Amino acid sequence: EDKVVQSPLSLVVHEGDTVTLNCSYEVTNFRSLLWYKQEKKAPTFLFMLTSSGIEKKSGRLSSILDKKELFSILNITATQTGDSAVYLCAGTTGNQFYFGTGTSLTVIP
Amino acid sequence: DTEVTQTPKHLVMGMTNKKSLKCEQHMGHRAMYWYKQKAKKPPELMFVYSYEKLSINESVPSRFSPECPNSSLLNLHLHALQPEDSALYLCASRVRDSEGNEQYFGPGTRLTVT
Repeated sequence: EDKVVQSPLSLVVHEGDTVTLNCSYEVTNFRSLLWYKQEKKAPTFLFMLTSSGIEKKSGRLSSILDKKELFSILNITATQTGDSAVYLCAGTTGNQFYFGTGTSLTVIP
Repeated sequence: DTEVTQTPKHLVMGMTNKKSLKCEQHMGHRAMYWYKQKAKKPPELMFVYSYEKLSINESVPSRFSPECPNSSLLNLHLHALQPEDSALYLCASRVRDSEGNEQYFGPGTRLTVT
């Protein structure tokens, strides 16, 4: 059965901290791994990863994929209150997208 | 441009009503999706259209009826819904390139069934 597991389920940090969010996957015919940020609305696309060991960066956010160990991490440095959200990862194959349950991040001023 | 639009933003309907949700994208994506999302849960796949043909139906009750009139439009027709169908309904489209799949969500329709 295809599945994606995220950890931790929730996280509370102070502004300026660095956080690492984890995503492990078991997806048959895996094609790519996606990260999304969801506030009180629809998920917003962050990154797509297909190749092992190649880091994707966008400002304070970065992500990397390990296809041998079947996991990905999302790093957020110098966190801000605006980073408070649920972060979702999804493993994809063809037409299917398998979502994890998300990590709820709260950044305290 | 990675915009997927959805209308309406909010919808309140009774259990005997018939209504439709609409989704549109002009990115040339050939796969479009309907998801249902309940509070504090990840999106739950309902339907996938690929090249305007229904390719995945995740055992969704027949009171939900999808339609893909053309490659840019996706509808979800609603009839005789139950209060437990109240949720955020998300449309998404997918692009596949040599690197992988990217999927972009619309803003969603927040549906309340009374």
